[in-house]
Amino acid sequence: GEDVEQSLFLSVREGDSSVINCTYTDSSSTYLYWYKQEPGAGLQLLTYIFSNMDMKQDQRLTVLLNKKDKHLSLRIADTQTGDSAIYFCAEVGGGKLIFGQGTELSVKP
Amino acid sequence: GAVVSQHPSRVICKSGTSVKIECRSLDFQATTMFWYRQFPKQSLMLMATSNEGSKATYEQGVEKDKFLINHASLTLSTLTVTSAHPEDSSFYICSARDAGIREAGNTIYFGEGSWLTVV
Repeated sequence: GEDVEQSLFLSVREGDSSVINCTYTDSSSTYLYWYKQEPGAGLQLLTYIFSNMDMKQDQRLTVLLNKKDKHLSLRIADTQTGDSAIYFCAEVGGGKLIFGQGTELSVKP
Repeated sequence: GAVVSQHPSRVICKSGTSVKIECRSLDFQATTMFWYRQFPKQSLMLMATSNEGSKATYEQGVEKDKFLINHASLTLSTLTVTSAHPEDSSFYICSARDAGIREAGNTIYFGEGSWLTVV
């Protein structure tokens, strides 16, 4: 079945790198996504990666994909207090987005 | 990027009444829209998939008579919570799939969500 799992919390200091991990189950997913949700707001698409790629970099964001282990990670370089939010990974299953539980990132000054 | 608008962003209604939430795609046609529900500090739970001109497909455990979904045009889907109860209080988010192809991999856009409080 489809299941996406993430650790629930991550706390880092401002300026450090953050790494948020995710595992998924549907090996047929063509794209995998990272979304950001700030308190009380909707979802903001941060980045996505095609399943035949190992890595994608977009400014401070780096996505790594290990398709063999069905493991996805999001690295945020030089984390800022404005990065504090909940981060969701998602895969496409049956034409629908399947979300992980979300990782709450707390950035301390 | 494409824009999806939800209205209202916040609504308070009395127990037993019905409330309608709208989801509009502003600059693209959406043959498919999705409705999610999110409890505080939890993930998004897919409630139903709405296809333009046909009946919505509900996820297991979601009462279709309670959560009425209508997708009458390529730019509008509505979710009506009927006979609302306090336990229906939640954050409801819609998303819409762009029927065109602007960017492979990025075809689903989210609204800003609607907070429903039933008192």
